[in-house]
Amino acid sequence: DAGVTQSPTHLIKTRGQQVTLRCSPKSGHDTVSWYQQALGQGPQFIFQYYEEEERQRGNFPDRFSGHQFPNYSSELNVNALLLGDSALYLCASSLTPTGFFTGELFFGEGSRLTVL
Amino acid sequence: DQQVKQNSPSLSVQEGRISILNCDYTNSMFDYFLWYKKYPAEGPTFLISISSIKDKNEDGRFTVFLNKSAKHLSLHIVPSQPGDSAVYFCAASALTSYGGSQGNLIFGKGTKLSVKP
Repeated sequence: DAGVTQSPTHLIKTRGQQVTLRCSPKSGHDTVSWYQQALGQGPQFIFQYYEEEERQRGNFPDRFSGHQFPNYSSELNVNALLLGDSALYLCASSLTPTGFFTGELFFGEGSRLTVL
Repeated sequence: DQQVKQNSPSLSVQEGRISILNCDYTNSMFDYFLWYKKYPAEGPTFLISISSIKDKNEDGRFTVFLNKSAKHLSLHIVPSQPGDSAVYFCAASALTSYGGSQGNLIFGKGTKLSVKP
């Protein structure tokens, strides 16, 4: 049973460029959340996708956008990259049954983005 | 302003002894609390959780205690093993009206636990 997979694992971009990160959720999961983890910090919630729609959003600018596809996979796009966007980007999947979401997320290994 | 605080960046414990990791939160709307463990080059993995209607939850060697009045929770690992060496994140979430978590977890900065043989 494949867990959460993310690609690419590492990438280097320059300021002003755009980046797309990809995530395939754990088999059977329908909800994908994206987190940003800066060095020495805990993961910070970016947004969550369910049924191909952004369901919740954290305190991130519009430069951060996403998409969820019918097969539940997801992309995170960041435009006009800044040096401060350098971080580990974590994708997490979960199954959202009707009613109760326990908060237990299954994380991928992350995509480490370096902006020069 | 950090809503979930882990004030100890690191903790070193001898194998076989108890490890106690602490976490404080400021938002009284938080109803659900989780601990995640992270090894280098891996994503965080869920360890244990507790709802605000409880003050203790136990799973094998891991026990989480919640003190709502103090807005404080702790994770106890007994006995500690070298394989427990990792970064531990405390996370919190607010429950919705239907009882489920909102899904957006607020994480602390983490505590690096080192268990020495």
